[in-house]
Amino acid sequence: GEDVEQSLFLSVREGDSSVINCTYTDSSSTYLYWYKQEPGAGLQLLTYIFSNMDMKQDQRLTVLLNKKDKHLSLRIADTQTGDSAIYFCASTAVNQAGTALIFGKGTTLSVSS
Amino acid sequence: DSGVTQTPKHLITATGQRVTLRCSPRSGDLSVYWYQQSLDQGLQFLIQYYNGEERAKGNILERFSAQQFPDLHSELNLSSLELGDSALYFCASSGGTAPYEQYFGPGTRLTVT
Repeated sequence: GEDVEQSLFLSVREGDSSVINCTYTDSSSTYLYWYKQEPGAGLQLLTYIFSNMDMKQDQRLTVLLNKKDKHLSLRIADTQTGDSAIYFCASTAVNQAGTALIFGKGTTLSVSS
Repeated sequence: DSGVTQTPKHLITATGQRVTLRCSPRSGDLSVYWYQQSLDQGLQFLIQYYNGEERAKGNILERFSAQQFPDLHSELNLSSLELGDSALYFCASSGGTAPYEQYFGPGTRLTVT
């Protein structure tokens, strides 16, 4: 079945850029997502990208998609301490909208001042 | 605030008991999803309902069941609880003009003692 993998930890200094990487196995995944989870909170939808796009930018967030390598990345510019959280990459389970998400294990981002 | 509400926030119960978790989706969303988040398994999809009908099943145990009511709220029933069922249970909803955007509730933390 579909699998999504992420590195577990990333540590950066405030003001630097953070890049969180993700790989997925199912080439038919139509939508790819990034969610943020702060301690004790639910998952916040940060951004998503359609599989027919290479890049999407939304304020400080840039998502890059390499379909050939099945690699997705999330770049956070000018990382702040408030960005410290767990970031989950997710893909749709099947090739259509409105379906279940398959999540990676999450990358814990630690931002030091 | 995602607009998805879940009750209760915390639940502590004993092994062998049965509990019901409740979710109200965002206004206008017809799909409700249930996910389980645990330290060892990560975030796993359990089940999806669309407009009252079961649409997809994931890694849901036979001891667990769910339903979606005419007013679109959903309940997840967990019975014969075991210590390993202790986890965070999230509800998400999607629909309307952006069926590919899933918004998560704050979760219910279940502790089985």
